[in-house]
Amino acid sequence: DAGVIQSPRHEVTEMGQEVTLRCKPISGHNSLFWYRQTMMRGLELLIYFNNNVPIDDSGMPEDRFSAKMPNASFSTLKIQPSEPRDSAVYFCASSRAGGPTDTQYFGPGTRLTVL
Amino acid sequence: DAKTTQPNSMESNEEEPVHLPCNHSTISGTDYIHWYRQLPSQGPEYVIHGLTSNVNNRMASLAIAEDRKSSTLILHRATLRDAAVYYCILTLLGTYKYIFGTGTRLKVLA
Repeated sequence: DAGVIQSPRHEVTEMGQEVTLRCKPISGHNSLFWYRQTMMRGLELLIYFNNNVPIDDSGMPEDRFSAKMPNASFSTLKIQPSEPRDSAVYFCASSRAGGPTDTQYFGPGTRLTVL
Repeated sequence: DAKTTQPNSMESNEEEPVHLPCNHSTISGTDYIHWYRQLPSQGPEYVIHGLTSNVNNRMASLAIAEDRKSSTLILHRATLRDAAVYYCILTLLGTYKYIFGTGTRLKVLA
């Protein structure tokens, strides 16, 4: 199994530019999570999808952030326009059903730097 | 959401057992206890989880106090590859949400 795949692994962009992060969950998993990790705030859940439908986006910091899951094998997290404070490592995770005992499998992350 | 408290850092010698504590005094009867770890420059990975009884798997053991207000992750023989940040997380029955705390940074000395 390839595991959760994220791309790009590193992204450097300038303030004001649009950034799109991509995630391919593990095949057969119905739940997908986007997290952000910074030194100051640690790991935070941004949004949770179940069966391609956003269930909880309460962690999305503001309207500049949007996430989509057009099908079971692909999700994007978009930041438009990007700001330096968005610099962080963004992780995507998937699980079979999103239940409290379902293991979440994390991808390697995308390190975003906004100049 | 119930909170967890962990020491910021711990050290262990290689090939010795490590006991990583976690306090969760406000745990409810339906909260599961999960442990994940994050190796340097990687995403978190699952270690173990439990509800009331002690649990063992190939990676570690989880000892849960009788009142469930604390738990301990036990690595039976630490190796250099076990150096990571270890997170203790609670999830409510019926929910998916992980609230990551600051975790315990484990340093393993050769």
